[in-house]
Amino acid sequence: DAGVIQSPRHEVTEMGQEVTLRCKPISGHNSLFWYRQTMMRGLELLIYFNNNVPIDDSGMPEDRFSAKMPNASFSTLKIQPSEPRDSAVYFCASGIDNTGELFFGEGSRLTVL
Amino acid sequence: GENVEQHPSTLSVQEGDSAVIKCTYSDSASNYFPWYKQELGKRPQLIIDIRSNVGEKKDQRIAVTLNKTAKHFSLHITETQPEDSAVYFCAASIRTSYDKVIFGPGTSLSVIP
Repeated sequence: DAGVIQSPRHEVTEMGQEVTLRCKPISGHNSLFWYRQTMMRGLELLIYFNNNVPIDDSGMPEDRFSAKMPNASFSTLKIQPSEPRDSAVYFCASGIDNTGELFFGEGSRLTVL
Repeated sequence: GENVEQHPSTLSVQEGDSAVIKCTYSDSASNYFPWYKQELGKRPQLIIDIRSNVGEKKDQRIAVTLNKTAKHFSLHITETQPEDSAVYFCAASIRTSYDKVIFGPGTSLSVIP
């Protein structure tokens, strides 16, 4: 298995633009997590899905952020409109119920100018 | 909700010495405590974990201890090597359901040759 696949790896955009980050979890994993990593705030859990259903989105910073998981093999995190403070590395991770381990993707580094 | 604290935030040791990182958690229902290592520019990866029915677990040069009463757990690295230099994250979650995996703020470990 290729592991968790994220795209794009790097994104530079201007304030106000829409950003869409994509994630393909490991086949057979039924839980998917989106984390944001910054120097100031560390690894923040934004939202997680179980069997494609959003379980907890209390970490989503505001209405500008939205996430979907239309099927077991794909998820998106969208920011609209983007702001400079959204600049961070966004990680997607997947796992299997009751096993504990999270498998992270390589991350998407977002820079909003 | 769960809150995980981690100390120290930075740690420098001489090669061959031991390193200890300590974490505390707030939710007494948490029963799964993984540790992740993140090398510079890379994804976090699981290095060891411990469940609440175990007080200590060892894997070669790394060990983790858990004190459920005090709600704290620690990572011990012995005979440190330069390749141990990385950011280490502790985390806590409830494993009976795929609950949130909440990470501590991280410890940047530098092993000086």
